[in-house]
Amino acid sequence: GNSVTQMEGPVTLSEEAFLTINCTYTATGYPSLFWYVQYPGEGLQLLLKATKADDKGSNKGFEATYRKETTSFHLEKGSVQVSDSAVYFCALRLGYTGNQFYFGTGTSLTVIP
Amino acid sequence: NAGVTQTPKFQVLKTGQSMTLQCAQDMNHEYMSWYRQDPGMGLRLIHYSVGAGITDQGEVPNGYNVSRSTTEDFPLRLLSAAPSQTSVYFCASSYGQNNSPLHFGNGTRLTVT
Repeated sequence: GNSVTQMEGPVTLSEEAFLTINCTYTATGYPSLFWYVQYPGEGLQLLLKATKADDKGSNKGFEATYRKETTSFHLEKGSVQVSDSAVYFCALRLGYTGNQFYFGTGTSLTVIP
Repeated sequence: NAGVTQTPKFQVLKTGQSMTLQCAQDMNHEYMSWYRQDPGMGLRLIHYSVGAGITDQGEVPNGYNVSRSTTEDFPLRLLSAAPSQTSVYFCASSYGQNNSPLHFGNGTRLTVT
């Protein structure tokens, strides 16, 4: 079946540290891949996306590359800020009928000054 | 840009009461869905719709009904509220294309006593 697995949290980093949040997927087909961010008390917001193999999505200093050979879409940021503290969700979209979206369980990030 | 609008933001119900959570989108999205988010459980799909007049069950549909009479609206009905339905509910919508992301509302926080 289709699924998304992301690294367990919570993750705590100091400001300006390097961030990696791992995400791997299983899909019967060619999915589009997404990272969402959820700030406290808010809904999920799209952070970045990639729609085919080797695509790199980027936004607000975050990057993720669609790796078909390793079925991965790891999120990275070179220097995190306190304002990046949030929960991050990896997701895939597959198909044109039925339930089309599959989400990871989320990774909580706290950045300390 | 209104995007996905959910009402109410907060609601307290007594066990056995019924209510409707409203969701409206103004982006002409074909796909709409309802999720619940509970601590440690990630997002769980309740119901979804691929177009007006078409609905289907997700992972946790029991105790909830939906209808999709227009493209814009996708209300979620709780038939007889139970404490287990205490949660944060998110409505989300998307275009039908495989590379389109979900757009989320800001959520409804429901408490059933």
